[in-house]
Amino acid sequence: AQSVSQHNHHVILSEAASLELGCNYSYGGTVNLFWYVQYPGQHLQLLLKYFSGDPLVKGIKGFEAEFIKSKFSFNLRKPSVQWSDTAEYFCAVNAGRAAGNKLTFGGGTRVLVKP
Amino acid sequence: NAGVTQTPKFQVLKTGQSMTLQCAQDMNHEYMSWYRQDPGMGLRLIHYSVGAGITDQGEVPNGYNVSRSTTEDFPLRLLSAAPSQTSVYFCASSPGVGSTDTQYFGPGTRLTVL
Repeated sequence: AQSVSQHNHHVILSEAASLELGCNYSYGGTVNLFWYVQYPGQHLQLLLKYFSGDPLVKGIKGFEAEFIKSKFSFNLRKPSVQWSDTAEYFCAVNAGRAAGNKLTFGGGTRVLVKP
Repeated sequence: NAGVTQTPKFQVLKTGQSMTLQCAQDMNHEYMSWYRQDPGMGLRLIHYSVGAGITDQGEVPNGYNVSRSTTEDFPLRLLSAAPSQTSVYFCASSPGVGSTDTQYFGPGTRLTVL
């Protein structure tokens, strides 16, 4: 079965600092990868996704993520965060028909950006 | 389009009560799903549906029933509520049933079982 690990549960940083959130998954086959964001009091929204091609994908609001197949990782980055990036971030994996086309989420990382 | 809508937003139940969480989407999406969100555990899939009349179990289906009589609606029924079902419930939909499809989430229902 597929699983997703987000090692940082809480991250606190100041505005303009760089952000990197780790995501590792366990599945030996082809996967489709997603990062979702949940702002306080709101529902989940898609930040970016990776299916194939260039392993560096760019999403909304200046976020990007890099897929490293050999490390089973899909880390999220933003060069300079803003106070409005305070949210919870979820990595998710879909391993396709072989795994029932189910979206599996990591435990989430709460990010607090101090003004 | 209203997107994915969920009612109610908040609900308090007593142990043993039953209730239905409503979910509707107006995007003609084939795939719909229910997740529960618990602190530190991310979102876990309860049930999903790949089209009207077709449903299947997810990771944590026990204590929940679903049906999909129309493309638009995907209600989640709690048969006999338990405190362990205290959670935030999210409904999601996607255009197709492929693994590359983005899922769109509703605003959630916060359920407390006393």
